Amino acid sequence: AQSVTQLGSHVSVSEGALVLLRCNYSSSVPPYLFWYVQYPNQGLQLLLKYTTGATLVKGINGFEAEFKKSETSFHLTKPSAHMSDAAEYFCAVSAAPGSARQLTFGSGTQLTVLP
Amino acid sequence: GAVVSQHPSRVICKSGTSVKIECRSLDFQATTMFWYRQFPKQSLMLMATSNEGSKATYEQGVEKDKFLINHASLTLSTLTVTSAHPEDSSFYICSARLAGGPNNEQFFGPGTRLTVL
Repeated sequence: AQSVTQLGSHVSVSEGALVLLRCNYSSSVPPYLFWYVQYPNQGLQLLLKYTTGATLVKGINGFEAEFKKSETSFHLTKPSAHMSDAAEYFCAVSAAPGSARQLTFGSGTQLTVLP
Repeated sequence: GAVVSQHPSRVICKSGTSVKIECRSLDFQATTMFWYRQFPKQSLMLMATSNEGSKATYEQGVEKDKFLINHASLTLSTLTVTSAHPEDSSFYICSARLAGGPNNEQFFGPGTRLTVL
């Protein structure tokens, strides 16, 4: 069984400020972890993913996330927010290949960037 | 990167009619496609897993007779909402998994907004 908890359904930051979106997961097997971004009325775009290897992963648009097994966390960060970063962000967990059950999504975090 | 399309992007229909939504993987073959439903301000909920050439696997609470899924080829899956009612109004998103691809990555379509009057 696996689950994802995103702390904070809404996060507001000023343009240029640090972005931190929190994600904690629960998984009975080594997880694969993903962050997706969704703009209004659009599908999901993959920002970054962790599968194996380096625990700090870099994604598109300047985002990165660090897998911390001891904390069961995979928080998303960006040093300096842009107005274009305003969107809904979803953290997701998946079991290893071969699992019948695929992505389990968190409830999402709406990021607002203030001018 | 891998591209997934959905058609139509928006559809408005009368209560009682059926609506078909297509999901296509444009530049890769997908043995598995997934259908999600997203209510406003909520997360994606997996409805069913569609495997090419076999019956779809539905999640608990999803009516298979209401949400008909067909995955006739490696690049096309369809979701038909039968006898649609206003409560079926939602944003439907499909995703496709690259056949033989690593890491369980899914590629998402742009979604279909269904409004049932």
